[in-house]
Order: sequence, then C-alpha cells, then structure tokens
Amino acid sequence: DGGITQSPKYLFRKEGQNVTLSCEQNLNHDAMYWYRQDPGQGLRLIYYSQIVNDFQKGDIAEGYSVSREKKESFPLTVTSAQKNPTAFYLCASRDRDHEQYFGPGTRLTVT
Amino acid sequence: GQSLEQPSEVTAVEGAIVQINCTYQTSGFYGLSWYQQHDGGAPTFLSYNALDGLEETGRFSSFLSRSDSYGYLLLQELQMKDSASYFCAVTTGFQKLVFGTGTRLLVSP
Repeated sequence: DGGITQSPKYLFRKEGQNVTLSCEQNLNHDAMYWYRQDPGQGLRLIYYSQIVNDFQKGDIAEGYSVSREKKESFPLTVTSAQKNPTAFYLCASRDRDHEQYFGPGTRLTVT
Repeated sequence: GQSLEQPSEVTAVEGAIVQINCTYQTSGFYGLSWYQQHDGGAPTFLSYNALDGLEETGRFSSFLSRSDSYGYLLLQELQMKDSASYFCAVTTGFQKLVFGTGTRLLVSP
C-alpha cells in the first residue's frame, strides 16, 4: 500500500526542548511539504522540498528546520525558538500533477 | 499579502444542495483546489480548476472564474458523511498551496 506515514500521532514535550517529527512516503513523489494547522484555521506552509538535498522556506519557517537526505523522508524539527509550537502538523507529498497527498498528522503539545 | 475568504460555517439537511464560495487574492495563480478534512483527520483532495468553468466529479462540482478571482464547491445529494471542513487552496508559484481558513459543513438528518 502506497502512502505517507507520520509518527508519532501524539507528541508531548516540555518548553525549551527540540523535537523532530517524522514523515515518510513510498509514493515515489519528488515534492514534499510540511504544514501547520491551528484550531479552526487553514493550513500554513512551513517548508517544502521539490527534490532531494534541496528545500525552501514557506510562509512560517521561523523556529523550524528540515532536511531532505532521501527521497522518501522529510523530517521536521521544531526548535525551542518556535514561540507557539503546540499545533497539528501535516506532511504532504505531490507527484507531477497538482494533487497533494497528506499524512495522518502529528499533534504536538508543548507545555 | 495573500488571502482566501470562505464562509466559516454552512448548515444543510440530508439530500440538499450546498455551495461553498471562495474568493482569493494571491501573488501568482495557477489553479484553485478544494480539500475535505474530517475532524482530526488529514485533508483529502476533491477537485482542481485551472481554467474557467465547471468541473464535475460525482456529487461534487467545482467552478472557477479567474476574472472574478472566485470559485465555489457545489455538493449535491448531501449525506451525513459530508459533514466536514472544506478548504479552498490556490496553487501559486513552485506548486505551493495557499489555503483558506476553511468552511465547516454541518449536515443534519
């Protein structure tokens, strides 16, 4: 079964700690994306990558970092510099057409 | 700036037809997409319009007017399972998506 996996589903951290969210896809897609969703809001783009070893900042990249060492993997690190990290994080990938395929998301709570 | 406006909530009964509007103002436009998201779930793709006109996919149709910076999603023969949030999204440069804030659809029996 092809798809996108994100782990874990729920994550709890203390303020001041960095945390890395996993995103893996076996769809053989070149492009991958990270979004943040806050309650009652739309999705906001954090980072995206169109090809291995290359990525660009989205609209709200401050306090986040990513890497793209393999086509299948696009992990997101939420650093202690992110002022309001508690949110629902969604990873997506895209083939050559316009449809983005989303993973199940990780709900991060920082206290 | 970039903005997409949608109604925050729409209610309807089973079997009815509902239209969710989206107006946009973005730097760059390649197309308008619609995504469905059930509570706690991942968004799933519904439709994409790059050119003016109506696209039909089963019970769902989507319309685009580029000159008016406007589109809508039309849901027919509503079912309880259609209760969800619906997001319009504009494809800007480099295949980036800018999302609206979403419309919560409540379908009642």
